Amino acid sequence: DIQMTQSPSSLSASVGDRVTITCRASQSISSYLNWYQQKPGKTPKLLIYAVSSLQSGVPSRFSGSGSGTDFTLTISSLQPEDFATYYCQQSYNTPYTFGQGTKLEIK
Amino acid sequence: QLQLQESGPGLVKPSETLSLTCTVSGGSIGSSTNYWGWVRQPPGKGLEWIGTIYYSGGTYDNPSLKSRVTMSVDTSKNQFSLKLGSVTAADTAIYYCARHEVGSTYINYFHYWGQGTLVTVSS
Repeated sequence: DIQMTQSPSSLSASVGDRVTITCRASQSISSYLNWYQQKPGKTPKLLIYAVSSLQSGVPSRFSGSGSGTDFTLTISSLQPEDFATYYCQQSYNTPYTFGQGTKLEIK
Repeated sequence: QLQLQESGPGLVKPSETLSLTCTVSGGSIGSSTNYWGWVRQPPGKGLEWIGTIYYSGGTYDNPSLKSRVTMSVDTSKNQFSLKLGSVTAADTAIYYCARHEVGSTYINYFHYWGQGTLVTVSS
């Protein structure tokens, strides 16, 4: 199985900050990398697919980059509604696997 | 707008079979481009892909579940279903159904999600 490792596991930041979350795959996954946001008690929401394609309706302050094994999710200017847990997911091959999550908290 | 809704028992006894149904509205489950997936999340933990079924019935699932997974589609009811056999407490989780978007290069992700249903395995 492909292991997905996110860092950090938790992060404290302030409104307006620029935040970067890293996701590393245990082997190359080309560009088969997706990002999801999950708020407490809510369903995961697709933010970015294929590394850098923004899902319709997702604010442009979210962006993704990377290829191969190393990927990043960047929020350019944190808004109050962005405090949530973020998961990366590889869809290169089965079993599809998720990172352990990065919890973004208010400082 | 596509909507998905899980249904099924919230409590299952150890060694028994967990059965869930996902009802799709706002779109047809029987389109040739449609795959449908199941993802679970133990309380307070991360996400785990369980399996995916194509509208015609072809399936693939997570080997970690040791062949305990059965999935099916009922196009007449616009539903797809999950059965997980021989459950233990480790199978306690929120179970989500989702549309699994599979398309051209690099297009492979979970898009529309149900609200999730908590299934507890306990005697």
